[in-house]
Amino acid sequence: QVTLKESGPVLVKPTETLTLTCTVSGFSLSNNRMGVSWIRQPPGKALEWLAHIFSSDEKSYNTSLKKRLTISKDTSRGLVVLSMTNLDPVDTGTYFCARVSYFSGWSFDFWGQGSLVTVSS
Amino acid sequence: QSALTQPASVSGSPGQSITISCTGTNSDIGIYNHVSWYQQHPGKAPKLIIDDVTNRPSGVSNRFSGSKSGNTASLTISGLQAEDEADYYCSSYTISSTWVFGGGTKLTVL
Repeated sequence: QVTLKESGPVLVKPTETLTLTCTVSGFSLSNNRMGVSWIRQPPGKALEWLAHIFSSDEKSYNTSLKKRLTISKDTSRGLVVLSMTNLDPVDTGTYFCARVSYFSGWSFDFWGQGSLVTVSS
Repeated sequence: QSALTQPASVSGSPGQSITISCTGTNSDIGIYNHVSWYQQHPGKAPKLIIDDVTNRPSGVSNRFSGSKSGNTASLTISGLQAEDEADYYCSSYTISSTWVFGGGTKLTVL
């Protein structure tokens, strides 16, 4: 079955770089009908789409955060990595990775459990 | 990319129907049918309940339905049940090959 699982640090200091890894199973990152996005949610607030990587390795970023984000993948290992530079306390929140599928109208059809990241000195 | 506009809260009694609106622009909802809806219970990951405006994924109750007119999409929940109490988010693919979410709507079942 399809699963996604986020991993990464729980606590990050301001100005540092956050690196999160999404481990996927049950589908291939080389499948041209699928891709993986990162989405975050500050405590008590709304979801915010961050970045997406297509099977072709083409990337797409939230225009407001583009300068700080890098998404990449290791297809053979089923990994999608998100890096975010120059962290600030407002970046505190739960970070989700989610599969995007052509078969579900390019919606986020499977989600990881989320990884809570706190930015604090 | 501005967030899609949703009402902050809606409420209804068990058995009633409610509708949540989601307003975008002609750069997202207005030009694509790639509109989806998600249900999120506290402390949980969002769950896809509607994709491509009207499609219900396998296993999702037929009490959930979606529609779209112009730049506004809507989610209707009929026969409200206590377990429907949750936060609901809309999302759309955009002309810039990005995605955008709504601000979320808190549904209270009275």
